[in-house]
Amino acid sequence: QQQVKQSPQSLIVQKGGISIINCAYENTAFDYFPWYQQFPGKGPALLIAIRPDVSEKKEGRFTISFNKSAKQFSLHIMDSQPGDSATYFCAASKRQAGTALIFGKGTTLSVSS
Amino acid sequence: GAVVSQHPSRVICKSGTSVKIECRSLDFQATTMFWYRQFPKKSLMLMATSNEGSKATYEQGVEKDKFLINHASLTLSTLTVTSAHPEDSSFYICSARDSGTRSYEQYFGPGTRLTVT
Repeated sequence: QQQVKQSPQSLIVQKGGISIINCAYENTAFDYFPWYQQFPGKGPALLIAIRPDVSEKKEGRFTISFNKSAKQFSLHIMDSQPGDSATYFCAASKRQAGTALIFGKGTTLSVSS
Repeated sequence: GAVVSQHPSRVICKSGTSVKIECRSLDFQATTMFWYRQFPKKSLMLMATSNEGSKATYEQGVEKDKFLINHASLTLSTLTVTSAHPEDSSFYICSARDSGTRSYEQYFGPGTRLTVT
């Protein structure tokens, strides 16, 4: 019930294309769903996050789509750029204080120029 | 955004020695901080939840006597790897959430690369 399943494990997209990464969760008590971007040798950086009371959130080229009934959420990167090449992690948690994030296994994105 | 720092960024130590890693929230207070371990090309594995002024909560399988956590103030948590062995070599990352706001965002430090020889 604590798992967050992420797919695909790796993704190659051409410059200007759309990158799509999917996650699914089991615990219906989760109510906070962030995405993190991590470059090699660096800590994860918060990219965008969503709560289950909305179905979509957009920030610049990054969009989260959320399907509460299916317990799934996805990250869309529009107009993908070589600088977007990184590992992306979805996560989920309860919003109450002191609750740790449960991470997916990560997706390595390579954007070819 | 909120800033979390870690020190040192890299450390090499000999087997049997102890190493302390500091995690600081630079512009906010954090009642709770989290410590993660990450192996190459793997996801983040939660080791423990660090609570200011009280004992840390360790995840199953994490030895609390080996990974000592202290959260003495609202801006500092430390992880001490005691009697380190080569299998403890890893990337250790902390995260923190701003206790003073209603925000639920967790911010991560830059990580500490530990190599035990």
